[in-house]
Amino acid sequence: KNQVEQSPQSLIILEGKNCTLQCNYTVSPFSNLRWYKQDTGRGPVSLTIMTFSENTKSNGRYTATLDADTKQSSLHITASQLSDSASYICVVSGGTDSWGKFQFGAGTQVVVTP
Amino acid sequence: SQTIHQWPATLVQPVGSPLSLECTVEGTSNPNLYWYRQAAGRGLQLLFYSVGIGQISSEVPQNLSASRPQDRQFILSSKKLLLSDSGFYLCAWSVPGIDYGYTFGSGTRLTVV
Repeated sequence: KNQVEQSPQSLIILEGKNCTLQCNYTVSPFSNLRWYKQDTGRGPVSLTIMTFSENTKSNGRYTATLDADTKQSSLHITASQLSDSASYICVVSGGTDSWGKFQFGAGTQVVVTP
Repeated sequence: SQTIHQWPATLVQPVGSPLSLECTVEGTSNPNLYWYRQAAGRGLQLLFYSVGIGQISSEVPQNLSASRPQDRQFILSSKKLLLSDSGFYLCAWSVPGIDYGYTFGSGTRLTVV
């Protein structure tokens, strides 16, 4: 069973609107959580990284939240732009492998339409 | 600054042909190196990881192999490609001992025909 679950699987929003993506994880012990943006045919690019003690982290119009108690994270996109169309991947590190392997969610495909 | 290079960007190969994808990292020493595959509409699957020259660990049994002949060079290979080897291959690196995440290469789109 995947230790990182993302929802929704895909999302279509109108340009200028806001949206929120969800990430639930079971990785334990928890080290940190990252959100990546992956444009079609490109490698993922890091948006935010949060440790256990951080609740919110912003990067421009992207705001990530983390609730380590409930093991949930969200990524909020404000005032979406066409360039936000991409796959957003939640990655959690921790578990019993301490040297650096990470657990990936399957991603949420976001399509921003004019 | 650190950079990661991956090539080629796209590749179309016939079934049964060999494969060699190369990844190099600049600006860092002794990185952890990874090969991932991403099937269409699917998440990233870890194929191989390496913590040093000649040290390769495989996550899943498959038709592929990896080698690390130099500290900052990671090669993904196959002797005979299968149709199921088609996918998007990503190389990544991370700093050992520092849990700071990956930096990914730009990826290689492999189509086996």
